[in-house]
Amino acid sequence: GQQLNQSPQSMFIQEGEDVSMNCTSSSIFNTWLWYKQEPGEGPVLLIALYKAGELTSNGRLTAQFGITRKDSFLNISASIPSDVGIYFCAGLYNFNKFYFGSGTKLNVKP
Amino acid sequence: EAGVAQSPRYKIIEKRQSVAFWCNPISGHATLYWYQQILGQGPKLLIQFQNNGVVDDSQLPKDRFSAERLKGVDSTLKIQPAKLEDSAVYLCASSLDPVGRAKNIQYFGAGTRLSVL
Repeated sequence: GQQLNQSPQSMFIQEGEDVSMNCTSSSIFNTWLWYKQEPGEGPVLLIALYKAGELTSNGRLTAQFGITRKDSFLNISASIPSDVGIYFCAGLYNFNKFYFGSGTKLNVKP
Repeated sequence: EAGVAQSPRYKIIEKRQSVAFWCNPISGHATLYWYQQILGQGPKLLIQFQNNGVVDDSQLPKDRFSAERLKGVDSTLKIQPAKLEDSAVYLCASSLDPVGRAKNIQYFGAGTRLSVL
């Protein structure tokens, strides 16, 4: 199967700070999705990206589909305590199968 | 619009016992997925259905896991017999578009947390 390397593994930040995380692979992906998962819940879709170079925002969240099609980035601006959770990237490979990264655990200190 | 429904939310069993999970996808969604999420890891695809046909089950341990989606709507995932390493959250997801489309967004249920003792 395909490997998605997600980093950092965890982050401890102060409320108000900006956050950046990324997902990389040695393979080309057709679609990139970013999800947030809170304890005891399933992943919730944040942003979907379909074209290389695409930059999409959802409130304070901005994600980009890498030009090489092998990576994607998620930024969160002005973090707040409710941003706490695990953020997963997911890439659609060969138009038929999604692979997930191992997640970035975000902790926000008020 | 109702989301993906899963039951039960929690299940505790002893090794070698059997267990079954149920999933009802979002109405009208053609594609249904079962994922296994081990603590500290991302979800791993077990099986993917399009309507009532299996598209991909390459990562399903077929000696003990089985899944069906008989009428192309809800689905069940079964483990028989369970092993300790099956302890995980089992997530069901569905998507509107069929396999092969770029805009194949998956929506997840809350999952079933399985503990095998």
